[in-house]
Amino acid sequence: SQKIEQNSEALNIQEGKTATLTCNYTNYSPAYLQWYRQDPGRGPVFLLLIRENEKEKRKERLKVTFDTTLKQSLFHITASQPADSATYLCALDMQGTGANNLFFGTGTRLTVIP
Amino acid sequence: GAGVSQSPSNKVTEKGKDVELRCDPISGHTALYWYRQSLGQGLEFLIYFQGNSAPDKSGLPSDRFSAERTGGSVSTLTIQRTQQEDSAVYLCASSLRGAGSYNSPLHFGNGTRLTVT
Repeated sequence: SQKIEQNSEALNIQEGKTATLTCNYTNYSPAYLQWYRQDPGRGPVFLLLIRENEKEKRKERLKVTFDTTLKQSLFHITASQPADSATYLCALDMQGTGANNLFFGTGTRLTVIP
Repeated sequence: GAGVSQSPSNKVTEKGKDVELRCDPISGHTALYWYRQSLGQGLEFLIYFQGNSAPDKSGLPSDRFSAERTGGSVSTLTIQRTQQEDSAVYLCASSLRGAGSYNSPLHFGNGTRLTVT
């Protein structure tokens, strides 16, 4: 079965720096890879999706890369702000019909220090 | 707003009692998921409904757990004879077309925090 690892449970960075979060997986590459943000006491919120044949996707200060050779996705937040502090989850969509094919990592808790 | 709505937001129950958790998905979304999240942990998949297909129940931890989705809309997760280890946040999510469909991410509710005493 698919195993998903997100780098370190917690990541602390200084405000203004770029935060880089890692999502590694085993076995087959997903059709799509998604990133979510979760704040305490709230459900996850979708941020970005990248397809298997895409190398990079950007949205404002966010950038996601997807390397199927390394079996890895990197999630970057540039010019980080304290408001970016949250837990970030990656999710692999293996594609298929009928059964659930969406698998979440355990998340990385990011703290941006003012 | 027309987001995913879950009720109740908090539920405290005594061990051995049955509980029902409700999820109102976004109108028109064909896929509905239930997850469980223990304190500081990741999302544990429970069950997945997709349109009129038979649900994927592979994540339900025991036969005390069941879920139904009526009319392709509202879903209810039922836990019978609750145990202390059932204490967690139960999250519901819906998506327009379900897993494997491009640009069909999940929209989550804010969950029901269940405490079994």
